[in-house]
Amino acid sequence: AQSVTQLDSQVPVFEEAPVELRCNYSSSVSVYLFWYVQYPNQGLQLLLKYLSGSTLVESINGFEAEFNKSQTSFHLRKPSVHISDTAEYFCAVRGTGRRALTFGSGTRLQVQP
Amino acid sequence: NAGVTQTPKFQVLKTGQSMTLQCAQDMNHNSMYWYRQDPGMGLRLIYYSASEGTTDKGEVPNGYNVSRLNKREFSLRLESAAPSQTSVYFCASSEMGQGTTDTQYFGPGTRLTVL
Repeated sequence: AQSVTQLDSQVPVFEEAPVELRCNYSSSVSVYLFWYVQYPNQGLQLLLKYLSGSTLVESINGFEAEFNKSQTSFHLRKPSVHISDTAEYFCAVRGTGRRALTFGSGTRLQVQP
Repeated sequence: NAGVTQTPKFQVLKTGQSMTLQCAQDMNHNSMYWYRQDPGMGLRLIYYSASEGTTDKGEVPNGYNVSRLNKREFSLRLESAAPSQTSVYFCASSEMGQGTTDTQYFGPGTRLTVL
């Protein structure tokens, strides 16, 4: 079995401030890790993913996440957020050899001017 | 290339009514999925289809049936809707198979209200 915990349901932050959205997982097998973003009234879009190799992965819009196997974490960070980053962010895990994703409960990022 | 499309976008049902949510993908993906999204609970898998002709239960299959009509289409049916099925439903697809990254791509969702 696998599970994902996103401890923060909401994260308010001022524009241009740094942000970290936390994600911890548990799994009995090796995992692939994902961050998805959902803008208001839209579907989910893949933000970034860790499959293998370098533990630091980056997205095209300045987000990055680091896979930490010993702490079973995959926290998402951005050094300077914009108003347009306001959205809900979901961490997800898929065990190798498994077919479906398991999602966390989501973190709503609210960027204030 | 439209990606994953879902119809309808919105639907209101009365308790006991039935309906089918439609999903289609044009990415030639093997696997398709149905999720429901409820506040504070993230997305939960209802059913998935690893390939044409196969379907499997996910985490919350009760009250739902699915049909993998062909490689492109995967429908979700509510035979007798209940208020507990009020939710936003997302369809997704992925390439799935040896050598693929199996990234899932999501449709825009169907917002269903059962009165």
